[in-house]
Amino acid sequence: EPEVTQTPSHQVTQMGQEVILRCVPISNHLYFYWYRQILGQKVEFLVSFYNNEISEKSEIFDDQFSVERPDGSNFTLKIRSTKLEDSAMYFCASSIYPAGGSEQYFGPGTRLTVT
Amino acid sequence: AQSVTQLGSHVSVSEGALVLLRCNYSSSVPPYLFWYVQYPNQGLQLLLKYTTGATLVKGINGFEAEFKKSETSFHLTKPSAHMSDAAEYFCAVSDRGNQFYFGTGTSLTVIP
Repeated sequence: EPEVTQTPSHQVTQMGQEVILRCVPISNHLYFYWYRQILGQKVEFLVSFYNNEISEKSEIFDDQFSVERPDGSNFTLKIRSTKLEDSAMYFCASSIYPAGGSEQYFGPGTRLTVT
Repeated sequence: AQSVTQLGSHVSVSEGALVLLRCNYSSSVPPYLFWYVQYPNQGLQLLLKYTTGATLVKGINGFEAEFKKSETSFHLTKPSAHMSDAAEYFCAVSDRGNQFYFGTGTSLTVIP
């Protein structure tokens, strides 16, 4: 069964450093998403991406964040200058249709620890 | 604006007992509603969803949920808990756009 994969599973970085979280969505999916979950809190929407551009983003997704689909398979989330409060689990997801109309398939997540 | 409230961050049931995980939502438009399950070290997996039509929705692993508009609820149930049901459960609502709004999750423990 096709699945969304994410690398690395755990990333430790120092405050102020740039990190890139990588995701490989399911191959025939067209819509891509990033979510984060701070420990003990709810899963929060960051951004959705379709047709090589951002379709929606939350207020969390400020100028420190960017997304890219550099080739036909990868979908990346970049945090330019990490802060302590960026420590969280980051989930990538993909879907065939827009979010409300179809299931989103989630990856296992990348745990980001900023020290 | 959309939001989801899951009552009870931790629920414990005995094996074979009824599972009831509560979810209430708020939405300014007719919502799409979802339950996801997360096993340790895995991603979120869809259990079931409500979009339109029948308000009682059946999902995988014997779970079902009923959309009650008057109560703005979408509680998840399973008649008989199994040890393999131990996991984190998330309720989510979509406003039919590209955003999902998740609850804080409920950790289900099944006691042998």
